[in-house]
Order: sequence, then structure tokens, then C-alpha cells
Amino acid sequence: AQSVAQPEDQVNVAEGNPLTVKCTYSVSGNPYLFWYVQYPNRGLQFLLKYITGDNLVKGSYGFEAEFNKSQTSFHLKKPSALVSDSALYFCAVRVETGRRALTFGSGTRLQVQP
Amino acid sequence: EPEVTQTPSHQVTQMGQEVILRCVPISNHLYFYWYRQILGQKVEFLVSFYNNEISEKSEIFDDQFSVERPDGSNFTLKIRSTKLEDSAMYFCASTRGTSDYGYTFGSGTRLTVV
Repeated sequence: AQSVAQPEDQVNVAEGNPLTVKCTYSVSGNPYLFWYVQYPNRGLQFLLKYITGDNLVKGSYGFEAEFNKSQTSFHLKKPSALVSDSALYFCAVRVETGRRALTFGSGTRLQVQP
Repeated sequence: EPEVTQTPSHQVTQMGQEVILRCVPISNHLYFYWYRQILGQKVEFLVSFYNNEISEKSEIFDDQFSVERPDGSNFTLKIRSTKLEDSAMYFCASTRGTSDYGYTFGSGTRLTVV
């Protein structure tokens, strides 16, 4: 069975500082990894994905994530946080073949303080 | 940019009543999904649909649930006899095909069962 862990319920960071939102996964086979963001009363917005290739993936709004196969991690990062980045962030995984459904982590609330 | 459209945005229903949640996936997408998010909890997969049949479903998707593509554009989720624990945000998503990993989510329908 595949699973995703987001160990932090909330991450607090000051505006302008770098941010990291952690994600680790467990799958049988090659993983496809995703980050989504959810603003209050809104749907899930796609940020970025790792399918294959370069381990550093760049996405929307200046976010990036690094795929680390040995640590089974896919942490989300941004060099300089904005107050407007405050939202709920979800990591998700699916396997390369077979089951197409995404398995989501429990979410991490990012709070950026001015 | 193409969107997945969900209606209604919020529905309140009496326990035991039937509800139908509606989704219009992106027009050239072939795979359709329903996910749900109970308030404050993780996003959970319910069902996937391809070629007019269910391709995959979770243990949550029991006999109370059904999906249908009644015409060329709509994709519906029906809950036959709602329970209090069905209260959640329900998200529809679609993808183009087997080699496309970009899931596009709708903005969700908040279902409240009273």
C-alpha cells in the first residue's frame, strides 16, 4: 500500500525567510509525486510534480521540490516566503503503473508572518 | 486555462436523503475522479471512472455511492441515503490520459448532512 507522511501539522516562517514543508512517501515501485495548495474555501491547486528526470523540480509561484530517492522524501521549498503563501499544502503520490489514484498526506498549514 | 467545474458549491441535506453532486470535467480529459476531505482531515480517494465504468474504488465507496456520466460532459456522484459522517468537501478531478499526470481538481462541493 502507498502512503504519504507530512510530519508537521503547521510550519511558521517569517516573510522573506526560506521555507520548507516536509513530505516522505512509501510506495512499491517508482513514485510520481505531487504538491497541491489549498486556500480557504477553495479547491486544490497544482503546484508541481516529479515524474522522472532532474531531482529538483520547479513549480508555480516560485516553489520547488527535491526528490530524494534514498530518503524517500519530496520536500517543498521556497527561497523567500510571502504572506500570501499562507495556506494548506498537500503532498500526494501515485505509482508509475497500476493504481492511478493519488494518495494524499494529511496536509501542512503554512503560516507566513509579516 | 481549462477548469473542472463543480456544482453546487455548498449543499445542505437531511440525513437519509439522496444527493447528487455534479462535475463538468475538462472537455478532452478521459479519466475522472472523486475525492473527499472531511473537515480538517486528509484528502481521500473515492473512485475513478474511465470509458463509462468504474476503474478503481476505495473502501469508502460502498453501496451508498454511485457515479455516472449521464451525457458527454457531466460526471456525477450520488449518495443514496446520506449519513452525518458523509459531511465533507467533495472534489472532482480529471486527467487527460494514461501518459498525463496532471490532475486538475474542481473547487469542491461542501456537503453538510444535518
